[in-house]
Amino acid sequence: DGGITQSPKYLFRKEGQNVTLSCEQNLNHDAMYWYRQDPGQGLRLIYYSQIVNDFQKGDIAEGYSVSREKKESFPLTVTSAQKNPTAFYLCASSTVGGETQYFGPGTRLLVL
Amino acid sequence: AQSVTQLDSQVPVFEEAPVELRCNYSSSVSVYLFWYVQYPNQGLQLLLKYLSGSTLVKGINGFEAEFNKSQTSFHLRKPSVHISDTAEYFCAVVAGTSYGKLTFGQGTILTVHP
Repeated sequence: DGGITQSPKYLFRKEGQNVTLSCEQNLNHDAMYWYRQDPGQGLRLIYYSQIVNDFQKGDIAEGYSVSREKKESFPLTVTSAQKNPTAFYLCASSTVGGETQYFGPGTRLLVL
Repeated sequence: AQSVTQLDSQVPVFEEAPVELRCNYSSSVSVYLFWYVQYPNQGLQLLLKYLSGSTLVKGINGFEAEFNKSQTSFHLRKPSVHISDTAEYFCAVVAGTSYGKLTFGQGTILTVHP
């Protein structure tokens, strides 16, 4: 089955710690995205990538970093600079030239 | 820049009643419009989309939406809801000049009561 997988489903971060969220897709999509979801605020774009080895900041990139070394993978690191990391994180992908994004099941990040 | 406003944060409704979830957008250029549904602790699933052509768009699970350019609206409707439609619904827009960058509304929680 083609789709997007995110792991882990739940992630706990200690203060001062960097954590990495995984996103993998087997849809052969060139473009991938990371969103943050907070209650009552909808989804906000963190980073996006339209091609391997290239990515752009979204609306709320501060405190986050990404890499795109493979077409299938777009990991997100939540750094210690992100002071309010508790949220639900969603990864998505689309074709470049395609307007529809397909979403993974999400990772919930909690701070200890 | 584009923006999306979902006019109701919560909509309670009884089973088999009709429902309308309201969405307004603003953009200075042409747009593509989407409705997504999210069940608790899950990702988003595409319900329907408007790209061009007929302004009445039909989606999955019996939902439909109408694009109204003059009122900059894209309201979601279903003539008869089921308990299983209880979820959060998001309206989203991509402006023609900001390809791939979805802007989401704040979400509307639809609760269907027996």
